[in-house]
Amino acid sequence: GENVEQHPSTLSVQEGDSAVIKCTYSDSASNYFPWYKQELGKRPQLIIDIRSNVGEKKDQRIAVTLNKTAKHFSLHITETQPEDSAVYFCAAPSTQGGSEKLVFGKGTKLTVNP
Amino acid sequence: DAMVIQNPRYQVTQFGKPVTLSCSQTLNHNVMYWYQQKSSQAPKLLFHYYDKDFNNEADTPDNFQSRRPNTSFCFLDIRSPGLGDAAMYLCATSRGGSKRTQYFGPGTRLLVL
Repeated sequence: GENVEQHPSTLSVQEGDSAVIKCTYSDSASNYFPWYKQELGKRPQLIIDIRSNVGEKKDQRIAVTLNKTAKHFSLHITETQPEDSAVYFCAAPSTQGGSEKLVFGKGTKLTVNP
Repeated sequence: DAMVIQNPRYQVTQFGKPVTLSCSQTLNHNVMYWYQQKSSQAPKLLFHYYDKDFNNEADTPDNFQSRRPNTSFCFLDIRSPGLGDAAMYLCATSRGGSKRTQYFGPGTRLLVL
């Protein structure tokens, strides 16, 4: 089945710097890659996603890049702000059972220092 | 606003005392999921319904059961909660098929005494 590895597990940056989180996946047939942000005590919220027919997608300060050949995708946050501090999870479709399931990475705790 | 609602937000139960958590959605999505999330970990899928079809994860303990009486509602029953079942329980929905985006409810935090 699909396996998703996420790195780093923790990331600390200064306000205004960029942050990059990387995920690798194992199934070359996977074609949908969402990123979720989870603030302490709150629900995971979708912040951006990418489908395999594009290599990059951008939404204001957030971008996701996808390298299908290498089977990895990355989240890029520019001009980080303290409110970006949260745990970020990447995910890919499960190849076991129905494709409506997602396999999540273990998460990256991002801390943006003022 | 269309949304995923979970009740209660906090639930305290006693060791071994059955508890039911509820989830409702106004998105009219076909798929409803139940996840367990412990501190500093990723959400762990317990099971999901695609319409009326129930799909259990292989490692979900028998202590956990689920019901989906209609499109809008889904329940998580924990028959005999143990201390290790204390966690955040997240409900999520998606349209299904190629529409895999999952939308999460606010979660129910379960405390077992």
